[in-house]
Amino acid sequence: DAGITQSPRHKVTETGTPVTLRCHQTENHRYMYWYRQDPGHGLRLIHYSYGVKDTDKGEVSDGYSVSRSKTEDFLLTLESATSSQTSVYFCAIGDHTNEKLFFGSGTQLSVL
Amino acid sequence: EDQVTQSPEALRLQEGESSSLNCSYTVSGLRGLFWYRQDPGKGPEFLFTLYSAGEEKEKERLKATLTKKESFLHITAPKPEDSATYLCAVQAGGGNQFYFGTGTSLTVIP
Repeated sequence: DAGITQSPRHKVTETGTPVTLRCHQTENHRYMYWYRQDPGHGLRLIHYSYGVKDTDKGEVSDGYSVSRSKTEDFLLTLESATSSQTSVYFCAIGDHTNEKLFFGSGTQLSVL
Repeated sequence: EDQVTQSPEALRLQEGESSSLNCSYTVSGLRGLFWYRQDPGKGPEFLFTLYSAGEEKEKERLKATLTKKESFLHITAPKPEDSATYLCAVQAGGGNQFYFGTGTSLTVIP
């Protein structure tokens, strides 16, 4: 299995609080992605990174920011969490060919 | 706009009853079409990549095929352990993004 660790696995927070999710990889892969998965919507891309300090927006980036200061870590931050951001968040990595993704186990986030 | 549509949303099969899942797509310059399997509470697991119309890939009881507008995942003589959600995704040429369908939830009854 690809070495991807997401933390925390579960989090409950209140509306308006900041939240940071972490994705850590041991594969030295170039590409890293954050997706959210919701019933009826499937996996939707939030942000992705194509190298250290190189990031780009996905289709549902509003309300989210990311940072990648090291190859192995990709952080997703919700500056002020809202109930609409309750979801399961998946991190994924892709090697230099970026021809397939390896996913982490996900983070279940509940915003009350 | 790049889009991926999967059908049916859910499928129940008796053990041994073969069937197919469909993934139709519209994308500007297909770079690759991908199939993933997702078990409850876990992240998607890569199954296949298809690059061009006419291509086929097989793995155990699964066979993926690709045309210019759609892909099929054929499941031959399924077993209960094949129960999962199957996701289809596409990647457009020159892009780094993957676009996913909403998946087909497959249940195989013993």
